[in-house]
This record gives sequence, C-alpha cells and structure tokens, in this order.
Amino acid sequence: QVQMMQSGGGVAQPGTSLRVSCVGSGFNFNKYAMHWVRQAPGKGLEWVAVISYDGRNKFYGDSVEGRLTISRDNSKNELNLQMNSLRPDDTAVYYCARDRAGYSSAFDIWGQGIPVTVSS
Amino acid sequence: QSVLTQPPSASGTPGQRISISCSGDFANIAANSVTWYQQLPGTAPRLLIYSNDQRPSGVADRFSGSKSGTSASLAISGLQSEDEADYYCAAWDDNLHGPVFGGGTKLTVL
Repeated sequence: QVQMMQSGGGVAQPGTSLRVSCVGSGFNFNKYAMHWVRQAPGKGLEWVAVISYDGRNKFYGDSVEGRLTISRDNSKNELNLQMNSLRPDDTAVYYCARDRAGYSSAFDIWGQGIPVTVSS
Repeated sequence: QSVLTQPPSASGTPGQRISISCSGDFANIAANSVTWYQQLPGTAPRLLIYSNDQRPSGVADRFSGSKSGTSASLAISGLQSEDEADYYCAAWDDNLHGPVFGGGTKLTVL
C-alpha cells in the first residue's frame, strides 16, 4: 500500500526547535521529489519546501527560508523538516506530500498531517 | 493573501452542476499546469485534478478541470452530499520557484 506516515511535531516555545518526519512505503521513495505543506488553524494550504529526488536541490517558501530545513535519507525512505527559531505563526498542521511529476503542484500521496503548536 | 484567487464559498443542490474559478497570472497559471485538491474536514488534501484536466484513478468523472490563459476552473456535475468539502487550486510559480495555492473554496451542498 502506497502511503506516508508522519511523526514528530508537538508543542514548542517561540525561539526553540522542533522536527517532523515522514516515512514513505509501497513505492520507490528515491525516485520522487518531496514537499512539505502546512495549514494554519482555519486557514488554507501554504507550501513550505521541496527537495529533489536525490536531495541535491532544495527550495523554500519566503516565510520559512533560513529557519526551516528540508532533508531526506533515501536509505530509510525518510523525509524530514527541521524547524528552528520557531514563531507563533508557524503553528499549523504539517503535511508531507509526494510530487507526482518532478517539480510540480501535483501531489498525489499525502501524509496524515502532524500538528505543531508554537506558544509560550 | 493567496497568490491564486478563488471565491471563498460556493453552493448547490444535489444533482446540480457547479463551477469554482481560480485566477492567477503569467508566472503561474498561464505558464504551468493547474492542480485541484479536495479536502474533507479533518483530513489531508486529496488530488482531484492534475495537468489542468486529468483525473487520477479513483476520482469520479463528475469532476472536470479546464484552463484558459491566467484562469482555471473546476466543475462538479451531479452534485452529491459527499462533495461538501474545501477545494483548492494550485500551480507552480516561476517567480517564486515553488507551487502556490488558492485560498480555498468551501462548497456547501444544500
């Protein structure tokens, strides 16, 4: 069964760090670019970051550049998002998603979502 | 403020056909394929339409997409109660080097 299972997240104070992860199964993880997308409470979808299939190329949304870092370990089928210098407006449900066609807006497999709350 | 513009709400009665619009510019919709997602309450988004008008396997043919210039639309025919959800459009943006989303349209089936 093709799926992605997420873990991590939780509650953090402003200025601290948190990590969310995602493990893919049922498909060749190392052939796909992968994204992180987040959704603040009651709000729409916001793209966070993308990493190429081999991990060599990474792009970030303006609001997270320099604070959030995307990475992957293809030997473990694992995708990670390291979140540093957290701010209250980083509070959201974070989703990992598989890009069906290189770099695109079409994400065909999504994780279940992990909530991250940044509050003092 | 989202890069792509969608109406915040839409509604229809069972069996009706409705359409949801998505407006962008030359850096996103005009230059790249449009994607549509359906999000039921408390769940992850689901890919509904990709490459402007293609349906993944498992998506009912009641859902269709189209694109013209800097705009796109999602049509749902034979509206059903289970179609009540939030719908998002998306497209890669050449200026931002990443995908951009619309603000979402909440569909109510009356």
